[in-house]
Amino acid sequence: GNSVTQMEGPVTLSEEAFLTINCTYTATGYPSLFWYVQYPGEGLQLLLKATKADDKGSNKGFEATYRKETTSFHLEKGSVQVSDSAVYFCALSVTQGGSEKLVFGKGMKLTVNP
Amino acid sequence: GAGVSQSPSNKVTEKGKDVELRCDPISGHTALYWYRQSLGQGLEFLIYFQGNSAPDKSGLPSDRFSAERTGGSVSTLTIQRTQQEDSAVYLCASSLVPPGGTQYFGPGTRLLVL
Repeated sequence: GNSVTQMEGPVTLSEEAFLTINCTYTATGYPSLFWYVQYPGEGLQLLLKATKADDKGSNKGFEATYRKETTSFHLEKGSVQVSDSAVYFCALSVTQGGSEKLVFGKGMKLTVNP
Repeated sequence: GAGVSQSPSNKVTEKGKDVELRCDPISGHTALYWYRQSLGQGLEFLIYFQGNSAPDKSGLPSDRFSAERTGGSVSTLTIQRTQQEDSAVYLCASSLVPPGGTQYFGPGTRLLVL
């Protein structure tokens, strides 16, 4: 089946620390991969995406590379800020029989302290 | 431009009552999705609409749940005879170009069943 496994945390970092959130997936075919972010009190927002192998998505200093050989899409940021405190979700897009849906990981709560 | 909107933002109901949740997608988006976010289950897919038809209802948890979409725009998710386990945040998303396109999420409806 289709599934996403990601670090669940919670994780607390100091400002300017390096961040990696691991995400691996199981899927049939070639899904698109996404990172969504949920800031406190807000809705889900797309952070970045990649649609094919070796694509790199980037936004707001965050990066993730679609690695087909390791079925991974790890999220990285070189220097986190307090404003990056949020819950991060890795997701893949499943297209099957005329339908489409996102399959999400369980989310990881990140807190960044000044 | 306007994003996905949902109403009400919060709903408290008594066990056994019916509730209706509304979603207004981004104008021109042909695809519409409902998801549910709960502490125990994370983010779960409920139903997908392409235009007014729903080719995939596989995520609806029971026959108490139904959804419709009229005019290729507004969608309503109805839960009949609500149970306490239905308490969750119900999220709506829309997409311009399925499959694999970005899904844009609304702020959600927080449902509490007493």
